[in-house]
Amino acid sequence: KQEVTQIPAALSVPEGENLVLNCSFTDSAIYNLQWFRQDPGKGLTSLLLIQSSQREQTSGRLNASLDKSSGRSTLYIAASQPGDSATYLCAVLGSGNTPLVFGKGTRLSVIA
Amino acid sequence: GAVVSQHPSWVICKSGTSVKIECRSLDFQATTMFWYRQFPKQSLMLMATSNEGSKATYEQGVEKDKFLINHASLTLSTLTVTSAHPEDSSFYICSAARLAGGRSYNEQFFGPGTRLTVL
Repeated sequence: KQEVTQIPAALSVPEGENLVLNCSFTDSAIYNLQWFRQDPGKGLTSLLLIQSSQREQTSGRLNASLDKSSGRSTLYIAASQPGDSATYLCAVLGSGNTPLVFGKGTRLSVIA
Repeated sequence: GAVVSQHPSWVICKSGTSVKIECRSLDFQATTMFWYRQFPKQSLMLMATSNEGSKATYEQGVEKDKFLINHASLTLSTLTVTSAHPEDSSFYICSAARLAGGRSYNEQFFGPGTRLTVL
């Protein structure tokens, strides 16, 4: 059974810092991996989706990498801003027709 | 494209009543829909998977008689919480997926969620 772990569970940084969020998964037979953002009391916003054949995806200040063989992904946020404060969720889609499996998330606070 | 809506966005009900939550794919046909629940500061937990026109598949520990799921069309799935109790209070999120690349789906699109509070 796929398990997804995110470290750290919470992170507080001053504005302007670059930061890395980590995600690991136990079964490397994945179809894709996705990073989401969730604001308190809100739904999910998809940030980046990496196919299993890809190594990274970039969108603005965000860069996500994938090392499928080692079961790891990182989300890099450059020049963090207070508006980046949210919970970031990593989710993995299995190679079979199985639904997304989520990690518990990293709660990020960027202090002005 | 790929917009999913949920209705209502929040609901407060008395213990013992039933509540229906709708999930709609607005601009695509969703062959598969998923229902998740999320407790405060917890991650999303999958409750069930539903394919259009067939019975939902529930995850272990989810009572199918309490959480009734109907996926009668390619754009609508409903979750009915029957005889709701305070412990059912949670954030319920649906997602929808479509046929792509020979798989049943390769990406899920999420609704904005429904906050249920049972008094």
